[in-house]
Amino acid sequence: DVKVTQSSRYLVKRTGEKVFLECVQDMDHENMFWYRQDPGLGLRLIYFSYDVKMKEKGDIPEGYSVSREKKERFSLILESASTNQTSMYLCASSFRLAGVSYNEQFFGPGTRLTVL
Amino acid sequence: SQQGEEDPQALSIQEGENATMNCSYKTSINNLQWYRQNSGRGLVHLILIRSNEREKHSGRLRVTLDTSKKSSSLLITASRAADTASYFCATYTGANSKLTFGKGITLSVRP
Repeated sequence: DVKVTQSSRYLVKRTGEKVFLECVQDMDHENMFWYRQDPGLGLRLIYFSYDVKMKEKGDIPEGYSVSREKKERFSLILESASTNQTSMYLCASSFRLAGVSYNEQFFGPGTRLTVL
Repeated sequence: SQQGEEDPQALSIQEGENATMNCSYKTSINNLQWYRQNSGRGLVHLILIRSNEREKHSGRLRVTLDTSKKSSSLLITASRAADTASYFCATYTGANSKLTFGKGITLSVRP
């Protein structure tokens, strides 16, 4: 079974802190994604990566950065956390074949971040 | 930008009844997927239907796709209390590996 793990289930940080959210997948997937999920807004894509050291902005990249130094690990960074970044953060990965992605995404359990 | 819009937003049914959820989208797609999310957890992939398919089955799940109407429906037959969850449709256009998710439908199955 594909396993996507996230470093924390719950995290509480203070405004202005630098926050790292880590995601690791064990199925050698090329694509990795970070979403945030808020009530009434569904899932919104923050950043994604289709290869090591590659990154692409999603729909709401402002206030976030990412790092992908190894294929299995994709980190989301909040440089200076703000209260409006309080949310559920979901990491996902998917397989890429011949340069095209068709397959489903596999999700981690999520990190519920609260910024005070 | 929201590509998929699910309908209804919330659905409450009795155990044993069928649950039908709908999804509409705006642009041409390569495939459409349905996911389930149990409370406070990550999403789990349920089923994928490609743009050249009209219907697909998986266990108690039946998905239909009407590309002319840009809509899909997910039918869960003989529902169980364990089916209580949020359900999301997600569309894949073939560009940049991205999926675009709807806002989700909350399904409650009463025992």
